[in-house]
Amino acid sequence: DVKVTQSSRYLVKRTGEKVFLECVQDMDHENMFWYRQDPGLGLRLIYFSYDVKMKEKGDIPEGYSVSREKKERFSLILESASTNQTSMYLCASSFLGQNQPQHFGDGTRLSIL
Amino acid sequence: DAKTTQPTSMDCAEGRAANLPCNHSTISGNEYVYWYRQIHSQGPQYIIHGLKNNETNEMASLIITEDRKSSTLILPHATLRDTAVYYCTPLSYGQNFVFGPGTRLSVLP
Repeated sequence: DVKVTQSSRYLVKRTGEKVFLECVQDMDHENMFWYRQDPGLGLRLIYFSYDVKMKEKGDIPEGYSVSREKKERFSLILESASTNQTSMYLCASSFLGQNQPQHFGDGTRLSIL
Repeated sequence: DAKTTQPTSMDCAEGRAANLPCNHSTISGNEYVYWYRQIHSQGPQYIIHGLKNNETNEMASLIITEDRKSSTLILPHATLRDTAVYYCTPLSYGQNFVFGPGTRLSVLP
């Protein structure tokens, strides 16, 4: 089975802190993604990466950055956390190419106080 | 315009087949139909996808109409653990996921 592991299920941070969310996948997938999920807004793509050290902006990259130093690991960084970044964050991975489903982790519920 | 239309909620008796419909009338020729589900407090779980032929795997069957404007996900013998929100979404290579509100399926004992 595909395993996408996110480092924390729940996280509480303060406004202005730098926050790191980690994601690891064990299926040798080329693609990795970071989404946030909010009630009424559905799933929104923040960033994705198709290879080590490569990254592409999604629909809502402002206030975030990412790092992919190894194929299996994709980190999401909140440079200076704000209350409007309180959300459920979901990591996903997939093989490169057409017709490849994305597999999601269980999410990190992040609260910024 | 919404890409998909799904019933807000459905009930199904345990052990019976659950048939979840989805309308995607604006689907384009290169878009696959993907189905995911999300159990409370967990990430979305991939179920199945297809282009135009019917598909079956260990979890479910997917029936796509000939004009591809709608599809039905079938869980052949629903269990209590199948209670979740089910999302269908057309998607082609390079597109981002857009999950609508989905269908909240309740499997009743």
